[in-house]
Amino acid sequence: DSGVTQTPKHLITATGQRVTLRCSPRSGDLSVYWYQQSLDQGLQFLIQYYNGEERAKGNILERFSAQQFPDLHSELNLSSLELGDSALYFCASNRTGPNYGYTFGSGTRLTVV
Amino acid sequence: AQKITQTQPGMFVQEKEAVTLDCTYDTSDQSYGLFWYKQPSSGEMIFLIYQGSYDEQNATEGRYSLNFQKARKSANLVISASQLGDSAMYFCAMRERRDDKIIFGKGTRLHILP
Repeated sequence: DSGVTQTPKHLITATGQRVTLRCSPRSGDLSVYWYQQSLDQGLQFLIQYYNGEERAKGNILERFSAQQFPDLHSELNLSSLELGDSALYFCASNRTGPNYGYTFGSGTRLTVV
Repeated sequence: AQKITQTQPGMFVQEKEAVTLDCTYDTSDQSYGLFWYKQPSSGEMIFLIYQGSYDEQNATEGRYSLNFQKARKSANLVISASQLGDSAMYFCAMRERRDDKIIFGKGTRLHILP
């Protein structure tokens, strides 16, 4: 157990639907990062939150949004889902500083049918 | 321009041999960190090793070592005495001081042959 909890592990939904992915960071970590990994692709950075505030935004579609709550858990909302949104979505957290890597959650595998 | 380049999409290596996975990076920052992650077929991302830009010695973690050549902007991962369980996707990544996020390369899929 990495300490980063992601739920659900698997999600199957239809096109046009909306889903919410949830992430609880490791205890003591203030930053949460969301990444998307499509089939046989590297990890694409979506968005980062730090202590409740949006810190950085990557290639996140307008149909996607996220937030971090006062208890530091984060949710990634994906709406108007398309087949191409099928991917593994990772949440990661880390301690502050450039010499700290991420601790990843186990990911949510989203399948849009 | 890509900041992290992994030129080997796939590699096949005989068990017990050493293997080097290539990674080059591009940054104008003086302070940065370099990472390697392993992603087995189960999908989880496993942190392997870290090298700081000011570290003079190459990082080592068990059978993993990072061959850091700063002038060449190279951060190759060396796995000694490879095992069947090393078969996985390997990602090189970088974090710059000015930017809090980590950027990943496209990965190298390593196959260890019995």
